[in-house]
Amino acid sequence: EAQVTQNPRYLITVTGKKLTVTCSQNMNHEYMSWYRQDPGLGLRQIYYSMNVEVTDKGDVPEGYKVSRKEKRNFPLILESPSPNQTSLYFCASSLGTGTQPQHFGDGTRLSIL
Amino acid sequence: QKEVEQNSGPLSVPEGAIASLNCTYSDRVSQSFFWYRQYSGKSPELIMSIYSNGDKEDGRFTAQLNKASQYVSLLIRDSQPSDSATYLCAVLSGGATNKLIFGTGTLLAVQP
Repeated sequence: EAQVTQNPRYLITVTGKKLTVTCSQNMNHEYMSWYRQDPGLGLRQIYYSMNVEVTDKGDVPEGYKVSRKEKRNFPLILESPSPNQTSLYFCASSLGTGTQPQHFGDGTRLSIL
Repeated sequence: QKEVEQNSGPLSVPEGAIASLNCTYSDRVSQSFFWYRQYSGKSPELIMSIYSNGDKEDGRFTAQLNKASQYVSLLIRDSQPSDSATYLCAVLSGGATNKLIFGTGTLLAVQP
């Protein structure tokens, strides 16, 4: 089954404790992206990657890192999480750029205390 | 001005009626437009894409695009309670970044 898989689905942690949210897709998609969703603000892009070893900042990259060492994986790293990063996070992928729609993972709900 | 604007709702319609959801966007060079449905706490699910002016129909859903007016809409015919969700309008920005810009969504409530 074609899918985007995120882990963990839920995480409660404390300020400053490094964490990684994994994202993997099995569709051989070139493009991958991370979003956060907050009430009243909608979905905002954090980082995106157009191919292996090619990543770039989205609209809200502060406090986050990403890497794209393999085509299928695009982890999101919070080196020193803070409470303002409490949010619902989605990973998405698409076949390429242009008209291709993005398909979303199931989401990760992060709570930073 | 927000790049993609939607009425937040809630839009309440009776079961069996037509639900009309609207979206305006600011980037004149945008060429690709999408409607996603999102149930509470779940991920956005693509339901329609439209790329040229006019109407595009898929089952009970019709997307309408008017690039001159920078306006996209989604019609849901024979609305069902299971259609109750937040509908997100997304616009692919001009250029090669494949950046999707989302509206904040319209909450649709279909009353049995």
